[in-house]
Amino acid sequence: GQQLNQSPQSMFIQEGEDVSMNCTSSSIFNTWLWYKQDPGEGPVLLIALYKAGELTSNGRLTAQFGITRKDSFLNISASIPSDVGIYFCAGLRAGGTSYGKLTFGQGTILTVHP
Amino acid sequence: ETGVTQTPRHLVMGMTNKKSLKCEQHLGHNAMYWYKQSAKKPLELMFVYNFKEQTENNSVPSRFSPECPNSSHLFLHLHTLQPEDSALYLCASSQDREGWTPLHFGNGTRLTVT
Repeated sequence: GQQLNQSPQSMFIQEGEDVSMNCTSSSIFNTWLWYKQDPGEGPVLLIALYKAGELTSNGRLTAQFGITRKDSFLNISASIPSDVGIYFCAGLRAGGTSYGKLTFGQGTILTVHP
Repeated sequence: ETGVTQTPRHLVMGMTNKKSLKCEQHLGHNAMYWYKQSAKKPLELMFVYNFKEQTENNSVPSRFSPECPNSSHLFLHLHTLQPEDSALYLCASSQDREGWTPLHFGNGTRLTVT
């Protein structure tokens, strides 16, 4: 089946540092999503990307849809303690019915030290 | 209430018990999903319902039985589970008619099978 390779698996950073994580695949996707999951809660959508090359920001977060449609990255600038959590990428594959056809990465665990 | 609500938040059950997980969405979406989240693994899609019709069963063992009486409610009936079924079970919803919207997740039910 399709797989998304998300890296890094975990990050330990100091408050104020910038963060970068990415997802790659051998398959083409027509939508990329980035979610954040806080402890004890469900994933919350951060950014959705719908076009190859698209660069979208949400506050201190910036994400891009790769030109090849096989990758995406998420950057967090000037990290703060509340950025702690697990970040997931997800890709919606091209073609076919869209119901539930999201593929998720394994997640990046972010720890921010004050 | 808004969003996607799951009950109970925590559940401990023996292998011979029968229990049910409940999900309710207040977003007017037509599609609902069950996902399983285990440690260090990507989110695993279990079932998809669209307008009450099951459109996806991702080779889930029969000890998990979904029920979708209407577009706002989704249940997962559990019986004779195994310890390896212990995980966070996430419900999600999306709009899949006249355009697709990203999934909105509930906060999950933390299931422990003893």
